[in-house]
Amino acid sequence: QKEVEQDPGPLSVPEGAIVSLNCTYSNSAFQYFMWYRQYSRKGPELLMYTYSSGNKEDGRFTAQVDKSSKYISLFIRDSQPSDSATYLCAMSEGIQGAQKLVFGQGTRLTINP
Amino acid sequence: DTGVSQDPRHKITKRGQNVTFRCDPISEHNRLYWYRQTLGQGPEFLTYFQNEAQLEKSRLLSDRFSAERPKGSFSTLEIQHTEQGDSAMYLCASSQPGLVPYEQYFGPGTRLTVT
Repeated sequence: QKEVEQDPGPLSVPEGAIVSLNCTYSNSAFQYFMWYRQYSRKGPELLMYTYSSGNKEDGRFTAQVDKSSKYISLFIRDSQPSDSATYLCAMSEGIQGAQKLVFGQGTRLTINP
Repeated sequence: DTGVSQDPRHKITKRGQNVTFRCDPISEHNRLYWYRQTLGQGPEFLTYFQNEAQLEKSRLLSDRFSAERPKGSFSTLEIQHTEQGDSAMYLCASSQPGLVPYEQYFGPGTRLTVT
């Protein structure tokens, strides 16, 4: 079993829809939770990060972390065609632990005009 | 600051040949990471440097793989006796403690094809 599980999709929704992306994980030592966006043939770029449990909002994007359930989510409101990309969740143990990021498989998202 | 750069962007090699990739991190970043990403998968951690010290290596990094960061700036990743299973995108990332925790800035990657 992988440390981080993510539904690979693909996911296709109409423009303006609310998109929900999710990951589950098994390592309770993870403290930092991140969402990266990756366009075709590019490196991943950080969208949002959250420390421990809770919600964080940035414009049209909301990240949620539920450590008790080992479950994280990313919501995209008023989705735009430019949001079409692969979305990767990533996690890190942080300061006292490993520095590496552990990624999910990535969900390929297409927003149709 | 132009971000993390990687060279070459694409490499096609024959099985058994050696290849070397270069990564130039963001100039003030003292941490440098290598990841490997295969088609349809997320990046997998290979190794990590803080300045010139290699602090962690994944068990994915077989004896055929070696990474260096001799002066704490750029890094090289060498694969000896390449195999078809080495075909992947090799990503480099850098970070600086004190900024957004563990925000790693990724380069565009080097796509390796072993024929």
